[in-house]
Amino acid sequence: KQEVTQIPAALSVPEGENLVLNCSFTDSAIYNLQWFRQDPGKGLTSLLLIQSSQREQTSGRLNASLDKSSGRSTLYIAASQPGDSATYLCAVIPGGFKTIFGAGTRLFVKA
Amino acid sequence: GAGVSQSPSNKVTEKGKDVELRCDPISGHTALYWYRQSLGQGLEFLIYFQGNSAPDKSGLPSDRFSAERTGGSVSTLTIQRTQQEDSAVYLCASSFSQGVGYEQYFGPGTRLTVT
Repeated sequence: KQEVTQIPAALSVPEGENLVLNCSFTDSAIYNLQWFRQDPGKGLTSLLLIQSSQREQTSGRLNASLDKSSGRSTLYIAASQPGDSATYLCAVIPGGFKTIFGAGTRLFVKA
Repeated sequence: GAGVSQSPSNKVTEKGKDVELRCDPISGHTALYWYRQSLGQGLEFLIYFQGNSAPDKSGLPSDRFSAERTGGSVSTLTIQRTQQEDSAVYLCASSFSQGVGYEQYFGPGTRLTVT
């Protein structure tokens, strides 16, 4: 059974700091891994999708990596800003497409 | 273009009543997903539709929950005889297709409160 764990559960950093959010999964048989952000009371916004054959994806200040053999993905946020404050969710999409989400990391960036 | 839309945005209902939640996916997207997010809980997969194939209903928590997708587009999630534990945000997502490389795009959700 696929399980997805995100560490840390919460993180508070000063503006400008670089930070890493971690996601681990137990079954390496996945199609995609997708990172989302969720603002309070809102739906999910897609940040990055990494296909199973890829090692990383980049968008602006965000970089996501995938290591299937070790069951890990990291989301790197460079030069954090107060507008980055949100909950970040990792989702693993296996064959069968029953997407499994982690519990999320709540990020607070202090101005 | 327009994103995924859901209606209503909020629904308050009495215990025992039936409710219908609606999802309009992005035009041209063949895959549609329903999820539930309960207070303090993660997102829980409910059901998945792909084109005209039989849906994957393996995540539905009980037989009070059902969903349909008409014409390969709009989907309705129905909860019969609602219970207080059904209170949650119900999220819908769509993707262009299934398989490697297809991102899921989410709607804003319907917040359901059962009193």
